[in-house]
Amino acid sequence: NAGVMQNPRHLVRRRGQEARLRCSPMKGHSHVYWYRQLPEEGLKFMVYLQKENIIDESGMPKERFSAEFPKEGPSILRIQQVVRGDSAAYFCASSPPRGGAGNEQFFGPGTRLTVL
Amino acid sequence: GDSVTQMEGPVTLSEEAFLTINCTYTATGYPSLFWYVQYPGEGLQLLLKATKADDKGSNKGFEATYRKETTSFHLEKGSVQVSDSAVYFCALSVDGGFKTIFGAGTRLFVKA
Repeated sequence: NAGVMQNPRHLVRRRGQEARLRCSPMKGHSHVYWYRQLPEEGLKFMVYLQKENIIDESGMPKERFSAEFPKEGPSILRIQQVVRGDSAAYFCASSPPRGGAGNEQFFGPGTRLTVL
Repeated sequence: GDSVTQMEGPVTLSEEAFLTINCTYTATGYPSLFWYVQYPGEGLQLLLKATKADDKGSNKGFEATYRKETTSFHLEKGSVQVSDSAVYFCALSVDGGFKTIFGAGTRLFVKA
């Protein structure tokens, strides 16, 4: 079983460009989460999606950031007009459709975004 | 609101030393508790978990016991190895696991 896949693993953008990060959840998982990890800091929740629905985007900056999880294809985290402060590691996680006690999240390897 | 607090790092130990990383939580309801580990350059991996009071999660020599009375889930290992050097995250989940809250992480360095 392939795990959670993210691409690209490394992304370099100049200020003002757009960054597009992709996440393919584990097979059979319909819940996707995006987190941001700044250098030497912990994991900050950004957004939680199911297919075609944003469930919780309380951690997303109000401007320039958007996320989607279409019916077909990977989940996309889009950052428009990137600034240096967006430089971070962005992690995607997925979980199966049935919840319950002990329902864990499975993480991808992350995309490391560097804004020049 | 729900939250997780874990001890600040970095923690530096010599090989074969005893490890404790403290974690306490606040939650409404009855959360499940987790420890995740992040090795350099990688994503997080589940290390162990516990779903009810007095449960002990264990894996790779690491243990943690769900203590409802002290709202704690401290991570312990009797004899650490250099390969245990990583960042450790305590976490809780509510709402059937669809909302997970992570602590800030504790970096562990183990010296040979």
